[in-house]
Amino acid sequence: EVQLVESGGGLVQPGRSLKLSCAASGFTFSNYYMAWVRQAPKKGLEWVATISTSGSRTYYPDSVKGRFTISRDNAKSSLYLQMNSLKSEDTATYYCARHRVLQSPYFDYWGQGVMVTVSS
Amino acid sequence: DIQMTQSPASLSASLEEIVTITCQASQDIGNWLAWYQQKPGKSPQLLIYGATSLADGVPSRFSGSRSGTQYSLKISRLQVEDPGIYYCLQGYSAPWTFGGGTKLELK
Repeated sequence: EVQLVESGGGLVQPGRSLKLSCAASGFTFSNYYMAWVRQAPKKGLEWVATISTSGSRTYYPDSVKGRFTISRDNAKSSLYLQMNSLKSEDTATYYCARHRVLQSPYFDYWGQGVMVTVSS
Repeated sequence: DIQMTQSPASLSASLEEIVTITCQASQDIGNWLAWYQQKPGKSPQLLIYGATSLADGVPSRFSGSRSGTQYSLKISRLQVEDPGIYYCLQGYSAPWTFGGGTKLELK
């Protein structure tokens, strides 16, 4: 059974940093692209970052480019999101997701999510 | 960026009714579209990928179709467990973008 378990969320002041983690199990982690998707309170879904199988390629939307860094440790089956210079608009539930990129890209498995609140 | 315009924003339907939700892409995205269902307090669940392919374990009353740049999710006979928020996702190019969501309620 595929499992994705996020951790590391919490309350952080604007301008500070936070690092999220995602522990994966139930599949060969190193064979899949992985991603982070967020959802602001009562809002829709927003893709935040994707990383290739080896970690050599990363992708971000303009809203987080230069502030967020996605990384992975295939030996530990773990995914990370380093978030710097946090803003109030980064307040959201952050989901770790497996990103299927061949043929028709989509996110097929999602974690339960972790809440990040950016506030003074 | 590719915009996905989803409609309606909300709808109310009765048990056993046919429900259709649509997503309009701002440009050609081929069949690179997925549909998700999200229930309150839960993470999104994949329903459809490749515009028409049913994800594993998803009931056959869910189906997807495409007409040009308009995509539809159909629930053939609404069941009590189907209310939630439905989202489309375009997988054609980054930034991968979601529709605004459709909130489905039982009448």
